[in-house]
Amino acid sequence: EIVMTQSPATLSVSPGERATLSCRASQSVSSNLAWYQQKPGQAPRLLIYGASTRATGIPARFSGSGSGTEFTLTISSLQSEDFAVYYCQQYNNWPSERLTFGGGTKVEIK
Amino acid sequence: EVQLVESGGGLVQPGGSLRLSCAASGFTFSSYWMHWVRQAPGKGLVWVSRINSDGSSTSYADSVKGRFTISRDNAKNTLYLQMNSLRAEDTAVYYCARWASYGKRHWYFDLWGRGTLVTVSS
Repeated sequence: EIVMTQSPATLSVSPGERATLSCRASQSVSSNLAWYQQKPGQAPRLLIYGASTRATGIPARFSGSGSGTEFTLTISSLQSEDFAVYYCQQYNNWPSERLTFGGGTKVEIK
Repeated sequence: EVQLVESGGGLVQPGGSLRLSCAASGFTFSSYWMHWVRQAPGKGLVWVSRINSDGSSTSYADSVKGRFTISRDNAKNTLYLQMNSLRAEDTAVYYCARWASYGKRHWYFDLWGRGTLVTVSS
C-alpha cells in the first residue's frame, strides 16, 4: 500500500498570505494525485487532480505541483473561506492499487 | 439536483450489523463506479470499498475485508454497505462518493454525500 504523508499537520497563516502544503508518497505515483478541501461538518470537495489541474469552479489562487513522490498545494492569497483541512490522495495504478489519503493539513487563522 | 444522500447510520453494539444506503439522484448512477470512504471522529479520510458500475467487481480495505460488503441496485439508484462484526474502531462518518475521470487518465471523487455517522459502542 502506498503511504501518503502530509506536512505540516497544522499551518497557521494570516489572511492574504500564501500557504504551502506538502504531500509525500512512499513510492512514485507519477502525477496521479488529487487534493481535497474539507470544512468542519462538510464533505470533502475536489480541488486538484492530475497533481496540477484545477477542478471545475476552483479559484485560480489554488495551484498544485509536483510528480513522483513530492507534491505541493499552494494557496496564493488566503481568503477567509480557505481555512479548512486539506487532504492529498493518490490513485496510481487504479484500480489495481488501492486508493490512499494523506493524514491532512489543517490551515488555521494566525 | 445532482446529489448523494446517505442513510442507515446509528448506534450499534460491538459484533452487531448495520446496512448503509446511499441514494443517488440527478445523474446516470449506473455509469459510475462508487466508493465508501470513512472518517473517524477528528481523524482523516480512509478509503473503505469500491464497486464498479454494474456491480460485478468490488474491492475492500484490509481493515474491513470479510466483514463489509458493498453492493448496488442500479434500478433504484442506490449504493449499499453491509457492515457485519462491527468493532469500536469502525466508528466513523461514512461517506459515499462518486468516482469520475478525466479522459480515463486521471481519476477523482467529484461528488460526495454528507455522510452518515456509525457509532459502535456498548
